[in-house]
Amino acid sequence: DAGVIQSPRHEVTEMGQEVTLRCKPISGHNSLFWYRQTMMRGLELLIYFNNNVPIDDSGMPEDRFSAKMPNASFSTLKIQPSEPRDSAVYFCASKAGRRNTGELFFGEGSRLTVL
Amino acid sequence: ELKVEQNPLFLSMQEGKNYTIYCNYSTTSDRLYWYRQDPGKSLESLFVLLSNGAVKQEGRLMASLDTKARLSTLHITAAVHDLSATYFCAVIQGAQKLVFGQGTRLTINP
Repeated sequence: DAGVIQSPRHEVTEMGQEVTLRCKPISGHNSLFWYRQTMMRGLELLIYFNNNVPIDDSGMPEDRFSAKMPNASFSTLKIQPSEPRDSAVYFCASKAGRRNTGELFFGEGSRLTVL
Repeated sequence: ELKVEQNPLFLSMQEGKNYTIYCNYSTTSDRLYWYRQDPGKSLESLFVLLSNGAVKQEGRLMASLDTKARLSTLHITAAVHDLSATYFCAVIQGAQKLVFGQGTRLTINP
């Protein structure tokens, strides 16, 4: 199994630019989560999907952030326009159905630096 | 709102010693998870604790869960340098949201 795959692994951009982060969950998993990790705030849940449908986006910081999951094997997290305070590591995670243990499997993360 | 607190946040210890990391949470939950993160890396699942009294062991690490006390512990026995990492506990909120503690940065010195 390839695990959760994220791209890009590193992104450096300038303030005001659009950033798109991508995630491919583990095949067969029906829930997908986007987390953000910073030194100051730790791991924060931004949004999660069940069966490609957004369930809870209360963690999305503001309207500059948006996430989509057009099919079971792909999700994007977009920031437009980006700001320096968005600099963080963004993790995607997936898990199997409800009857499973609920364990999340994380990707390697996308490290974003906004100058 | 669920809050998950770990104690201590930083821990420096010598090889061969024993120590315990504590994870307290604020609302009822019967599922708790422990993860390990190495610097610059992803989060790796260590333990899944699914019921009161659950105890899991892997090598020098042992995790337990007391749902009545809303407390989980991660015990390290005879620490070795390879266990240096940041350890997170996480608790289920509602049906699916996993809320993480702040993490405990563990450094094991020779």
